[in-house]
Amino acid sequence: AQTVTQSQPEMSVQEAETVTLSCTYDTSESNYYLFWYKQPPSRQMILVIRQEAYKQQNATENRFSVNFQKAAKSFSLKISDSQLGDTAMYFCAFLTGSARQLTFGSGTQLTVLP
Amino acid sequence: DTGVSQDPRHKITKRGQNVTFRCDPISEHNRLYWYRQTLGQGPEFLTYFQNEAQLEKSRLLSDRFSAERPKGSFSTLEIQRTEQGDSAMYLCASSSGVDVYEQYFGPGTRLTVT
Repeated sequence: AQTVTQSQPEMSVQEAETVTLSCTYDTSESNYYLFWYKQPPSRQMILVIRQEAYKQQNATENRFSVNFQKAAKSFSLKISDSQLGDTAMYFCAFLTGSARQLTFGSGTQLTVLP
Repeated sequence: DTGVSQDPRHKITKRGQNVTFRCDPISEHNRLYWYRQTLGQGPEFLTYFQNEAQLEKSRLLSDRFSAERPKGSFSTLEIQRTEQGDSAMYLCASSSGVDVYEQYFGPGTRLTVT
């Protein structure tokens, strides 16, 4: 079984600053995928970024990037130039190669302060 | 492409009643997933369909829960004899056969059992 741990229940950052959200996971699988999802208040979950475990290069999507440390089983999300619209709950998630079920962490509530 | 839709968005029911939720995936997405999310937690996997076949069920899906996906299009999730512990957000997601690793989520159905 896979587990995903997010140890930061809440974080805040000033607008335009950079913030890093932490995530660790545990698995015996060799083929898997990692994701960060964003869930704004009362709105639906949307995918922020994804990382294939077989890729050594860290994924980047505009202001969002990850630091994927496979040996340490760590997958952190860095948000640069934070914007007020980034305020949301962020979930780290794990998917095995069979792609049947996502396993989510407990989430980090990020608040961007003006 | 209209996205994943769910109906109803909110449901209040009395303990012991039966409820049914509907999910319409993105058209031509052959994979469909149900998750349950309680307040302040990450979503937990309930069940997975590939076309009309239900291929995986979580232990969370007790015998009071049943899910169907007739004809491989929309899906329904029924809860019989609801309990207060069933109060949660029920999320539906879908993915395509081309990129099975990216799940698109609907807005969810919030169930309150009184």
